[in-house]
Amino acid sequence: GIQVEQSPPDLILQEGANSTLRCNFSDSVNNLQWFHQNPWGQLINLFYIPSGTKQNGRLSATTVATERYSLLYISSSQTTDSGVYFCAVGPTGNQFYFGTGTSLTVIP
Amino acid sequence: DGGITQSPKYLFRKEGQNVTLSCEQNLNHDAMYWYRQDPGQGLRLIYYSQIVNDFQKGDIAEGYSVSREKKESFPLTVTSAQKNPTAFYLCASSIPRDGQPQHFGDGTRLSIL
Repeated sequence: GIQVEQSPPDLILQEGANSTLRCNFSDSVNNLQWFHQNPWGQLINLFYIPSGTKQNGRLSATTVATERYSLLYISSSQTTDSGVYFCAVGPTGNQFYFGTGTSLTVIP
Repeated sequence: DGGITQSPKYLFRKEGQNVTLSCEQNLNHDAMYWYRQDPGQGLRLIYYSQIVNDFQKGDIAEGYSVSREKKESFPLTVTSAQKNPTAFYLCASSIPRDGQPQHFGDGTRLSIL
């Protein structure tokens, strides 16, 4: 299957700081999603972004499919942004491979 | 509201016992998935189904079984053959073609007594 590497594995930020999370993948993909897993385990869909750039409030994402990476930007971080951020990729629409995540802690 | 319902939220299993985790969706999605998550790890695919009465093994299918008798339902049975079943189990669904995201339920935490 496709290998997915996320970096950094852990990140601690002061409230209000900005951050960039990276997802590298080993093969061409037609599907890519970013998720936020909250402390209760719920997976929240942030972006579906196999290519291009999208923005939603303080969050934005960019995927450069030809170079096999995606970036998630968090601006003006808040304590509620804490949790684990996962990247999931798939060659087709029926199977996704997950990275091991970036654990984000935002301190007040 | 449309969504995915997993039950129960917490489940305890005795040694040698089979248990079944429920997953129901009302999103009218053809594809459904089961993932396993261990502490500090990403999700790994157990089984997936793209259509009723058909399913395929994922990367870690040993010790698990599924059925897909209805479009809305995709139950997962953790059998006694699964020697390390303690984990967080997540069910997802999607329209099975490019351009369609996966949607997840809230998960079931399974522990061994």
